Amino acid sequence: DAGVTQSPTHLIKTRGQQVTLRCSPISGHKSVSWYQQVLGQGPQFIFQYYEKEERGRGNFPDRFSARQFPNYSSELNVNALLLGDSALYLCASSPGLAVSYEQYFGPGTRLTVT
Amino acid sequence: SQQGEEDPQALSIQEGENATMNCSYKTSINNLQWYRQNSGRGLVHLILIRSNEREKHSGRLRVTLDTSKKSSSLLITASRAADTASYFCATFEGAGSYQLTFGKGTKLSVIP
Repeated sequence: DAGVTQSPTHLIKTRGQQVTLRCSPISGHKSVSWYQQVLGQGPQFIFQYYEKEERGRGNFPDRFSARQFPNYSSELNVNALLLGDSALYLCASSPGLAVSYEQYFGPGTRLTVT
Repeated sequence: SQQGEEDPQALSIQEGENATMNCSYKTSINNLQWYRQNSGRGLVHLILIRSNEREKHSGRLRVTLDTSKKSSSLLITASRAADTASYFCATFEGAGSYQLTFGKGTKLSVIP
């Protein structure tokens, strides 16, 4: 079975631009979470979506938004990019709402803002 | 914000030796999980220990949890070069929480 997939793998954007990152969960998984990992740090929670609804939001500005589609894939949008948004963006899926079980992570999208 | 703090930040050992990493956290938890990350790519789940468990084993991995001290340790026995990676602890607080809260990680280097 395919694991969690993310696209694109790498992305270079300029300050002020907007970016959309995509994630496809493992087949049958209905929950998708997004994390930001700055170099040298652990992942920081951004959003969790379950059954197309936002269930949790981390401490990120409104420039960050996301949505989940009927096939449970998800997009993360970041507007008005700042240099500090440069990071590895990770998507994770799990079968149910609770994150009390293991999360299955994708390979990530590395975003560089210049 | 980071919940857990791993110790040490970096660890270098010879192949065949044991590696021990520690994690401290701040709030009450439902469970604690350990993940491995190779070369800044996706994380791989290693083991989950619940708040009512004290020790858990999986292959060469042994995890302990001390909720009174809010700390956990991950022991990798008979390390291999392939174990070279960053290791993160992540906590799940329980009902009403929708996120895993990760520490800053321990970078393990296993020298062949």
